[in-house]
Amino acid sequence: GAVVSQHPSRVICKSGTSVKIECRSLDFQATTMFWYRQFPKKSLMLMATSNEGSKATYEQGVEKDKFLINHASLTLSTLTVTSAHPEDSSFYICSAVRGGLSTDTQYFGPGTRLTVL
Amino acid sequence: GENVEQHPSTLSVQEGDSAVIKCTYSDSASNYFPWYKQELGKRPQLIIDIRSNVGEKKDQRIAVTLNKTAKHFSLHITETQPEDSAVYFCAATDSGYALNFGKGTSLLVTP
Repeated sequence: GAVVSQHPSRVICKSGTSVKIECRSLDFQATTMFWYRQFPKKSLMLMATSNEGSKATYEQGVEKDKFLINHASLTLSTLTVTSAHPEDSSFYICSAVRGGLSTDTQYFGPGTRLTVL
Repeated sequence: GENVEQHPSTLSVQEGDSAVIKCTYSDSASNYFPWYKQELGKRPQLIIDIRSNVGEKKDQRIAVTLNKTAKHFSLHITETQPEDSAVYFCAATDSGYALNFGKGTSLLVTP
């Protein structure tokens, strides 16, 4: 159990276009999902916390109008990179927390490699 | 906010030897400390975790120790194998769930 999927796994787009990344919890309900980005040979940096049915909480320095997050159901959160630029090229990974108060375990998706030309 | 420091950044050991990675954290409210293994281009995989009410936890060749007073925790891998080669991340979090990651340790196990 505790499987998290992401789609697409890889995307290449032109500068100025928008890209949507989906994160799904396949066998559990996730009240909270997180979005991270990871540059090559670097650690994971939290971008935002996504709670089902409410607005996402963004980390300092992350533009909410550029990285749109929607968590419309207990199994799906989406991240849209608007007007993408080459500096947005990165590995985007989501994680999901299984519902319940007794666990903090985060399950990660396989990641999405975004390349902006 | 929480600040997690991880050392060393790179570690090379011979197959069969032990490997130890250490992390410190700054927020005394942190109560959950997972360790993740990440292979190139793959997702982080949880390998072991420890909560603040426990001082040590072991799972076969992997163990984690936690010193709440000193605010540090360590990962111990015994009898290392080449397939243990990967990047290892420690993390810490309080009850708010968001993980604060260390910068990672690139472990290389040579045959």
